[in-house]
Amino acid sequence: QVQLQESGPGLVKPSETLSLTCTVSGDSINSHYWNWIRQPPGKGLEWIGYMYYSGNTNYNPSLKSRVTISIDRSKNQFSLKLSSVTAADTAVYYCARKGLWFDYWGQGTLVTVSS
Amino acid sequence: EIVLTQSPATLSLSPGERATLSCRASQSVSTYLAWYQHKPGQAPSLLIYDVSNRATGVPARFSGSGSGTDFTLTISSLEPEDSAVYYCQQRSEWWTFGQGTKVEIK
Repeated sequence: QVQLQESGPGLVKPSETLSLTCTVSGDSINSHYWNWIRQPPGKGLEWIGYMYYSGNTNYNPSLKSRVTISIDRSKNQFSLKLSSVTAADTAVYYCARKGLWFDYWGQGTLVTVSS
Repeated sequence: EIVLTQSPATLSLSPGERATLSCRASQSVSTYLAWYQHKPGQAPSLLIYDVSNRATGVPARFSGSGSGTDFTLTISSLEPEDSAVYYCQQRSEWWTFGQGTKVEIK
């Protein structure tokens, strides 16, 4: 059974870098597309970006200048870094696996941007 | 960016009733549309893909239809466990989601 679990700080200061990790179990990270998706309070879901197992990345144009997604094959994990955060980046962050569709998701982790 | 508009925002029905959820795209997404179910405290789950194909393990009471810009998710006979927020999502151009419809069981 494929499972994904997000981890990382729940509070980040404005202008700093948000860093999250997704641990994948039940599947090898050496296949599929590995994604980050977020949901600000009271708003809809927003796709952030993905890393393909080969190392190729694709980011939401609205966030591209601040986003980096990377993979750690030895730990079967992938990570998100979002730089220069503001209060608008406060959201529940989900990691998700995608073939054609987002078929497995983590439960999400709330990240609050506040001083 | 393709905008997906879902209606209604909330649907409150009794067990056994039929639920009809709508998703309208700002431009054609062909058949590149999926539906997800999200229960509080749980991971979202893929429900329907390619408009009308049920994901593995999804009960037959869930069905999807539509094409182009107008899509519908139907729950033929509501069960208490169907209480959730339902999102549509397109992959025709990038990946965007609707705002969600909350289904409440009376």
